[in-house]
Amino acid sequence: AQSVTQLGSHVSVSEGALVLLRCNYSSSVPPYLFWYVQYPNQGLQLLLKYTSAATLVKGINGFEAEFKKSETSFHLTKPSAHMSDAAEYFCAVSDQGNFGNEKLTFGTGTRLTIIP
Amino acid sequence: DAGVIQSPRHEVTEMGQEVTLRCKPISGHNSLFWYRQTMMRGLELLIYFNNNVPIDDSGMPEDRFSAKMPNASFSTLKIQPSEPRDSAVYFCASSLQAGRQPQHFGDGTRLSIL
Repeated sequence: AQSVTQLGSHVSVSEGALVLLRCNYSSSVPPYLFWYVQYPNQGLQLLLKYTSAATLVKGINGFEAEFKKSETSFHLTKPSAHMSDAAEYFCAVSDQGNFGNEKLTFGTGTRLTIIP
Repeated sequence: DAGVIQSPRHEVTEMGQEVTLRCKPISGHNSLFWYRQTMMRGLELLIYFNNNVPIDDSGMPEDRFSAKMPNASFSTLKIQPSEPRDSAVYFCASSLQAGRQPQHFGDGTRLSIL
């Protein structure tokens, strides 16, 4: 069974500071991993995805994430936070197993607050 | 291209009434998902379809909830009878290949049961 743990339900960083949102996964087979962002009153929007190609994945809005198999981690980072980054972020995992019948398992989310 | 379209965006109704939420997935996508999001429980997968066939409905709370996908371009989630605890934001998402490709979410239906 697959699962995702997001450490820290709330993270606050100052504008211009490094953003680090943590995600650890559990999967019995090589996973596909995703980060989504949700702005108020909107649906989830894909930030980036890892599908067994390069371990460092670049996404939209300056975000990137690194897949580390040894640590079972897929942390999301951005070098310099912007006020517009304030949102909720979700990590998700999918098995590369049963083709056509995989489903995403989402973490509980991390709410990012940017301090002016 | 149009994204996932959900209707209505907001629904307020009284307890006991039937509620029908609608979703139009992105054209060409063969997987469709219904989620529920609340402050207490976060984002929950209710049911998902692959090629219009329900694959996993283990997340459907109880028999009051039902979902259908009569064709590749339309799905409904129905609650009958509705209860105040069903109040939540309901999202529909679609993807090209379940699990391998990202899911594209609609803007959700905010449901309030009085």
